[in-house]
Amino acid sequence: AQKITQTQPGMFVQEKEAVTLDCTYDTSDPSYGLFWYKQPSSGEMIFLIYQGSYDQQNATEGRYSLNFQKARKSANLVISASQLGDSAMYFCAMREGNSGGYQKVTFGIGTKLQVIP
Amino acid sequence: EAGVTQFPSHSVIEKGQTVTLRCDPISGHDNLYWYRRVMGKEIKFLLHFVKESKQDESGMPNNRFLAERTGGTYSTLKVQPAELEDSGVYFCASSQDRRGETQYFGPGTRLLVL
Repeated sequence: AQKITQTQPGMFVQEKEAVTLDCTYDTSDPSYGLFWYKQPSSGEMIFLIYQGSYDQQNATEGRYSLNFQKARKSANLVISASQLGDSAMYFCAMREGNSGGYQKVTFGIGTKLQVIP
Repeated sequence: EAGVTQFPSHSVIEKGQTVTLRCDPISGHDNLYWYRRVMGKEIKFLLHFVKESKQDESGMPNNRFLAERTGGTYSTLKVQPAELEDSGVYFCASSQDRRGETQYFGPGTRLLVL
């Protein structure tokens, strides 16, 4: 079973509108973290937002917010007031523990977002 | 502060040849990670260094891949001999804390094996 599922291969959004990128995850580890990364056409991976499994409130970073629904195992990214520069691939990722106490990150397949002027 | 850098940015080699990718993490980051994205698939974890030690190499595909981090600074990932299925983008990331909460990624090396 996939640990991170992103069901939207591509999304379009009108400039200045909000958009939600879906992400569901699968883990039996009680302590985990969820991330979103942005990859523009230039190729670099840009960290956007982080949510810990024990965090009580949804994470927010500027125009980015993470809609964390623990019971449903979903961690959707909401981008408000979309800008043309938001056009990129977006990856959802999760970190889990391993026996050594260090943690590795598993990525989803990504969603390509295109912002339309 | 300089970010994570990777060299080369692109590499095109023939099947059977050897390629060495280099990653320079952010200064002071003990944790260094290698990932790979094969075309159309998810980014997959390859391995994790803590300083010069391999903490987790469970994602390494096979013994054609060798990663080193001598002195706990930069890391190299060597593929020998390269196969067609090794083509993809190889990302390196580093983090300061062991929980890896925020991993800073390099721009990636695009490898094409012909």
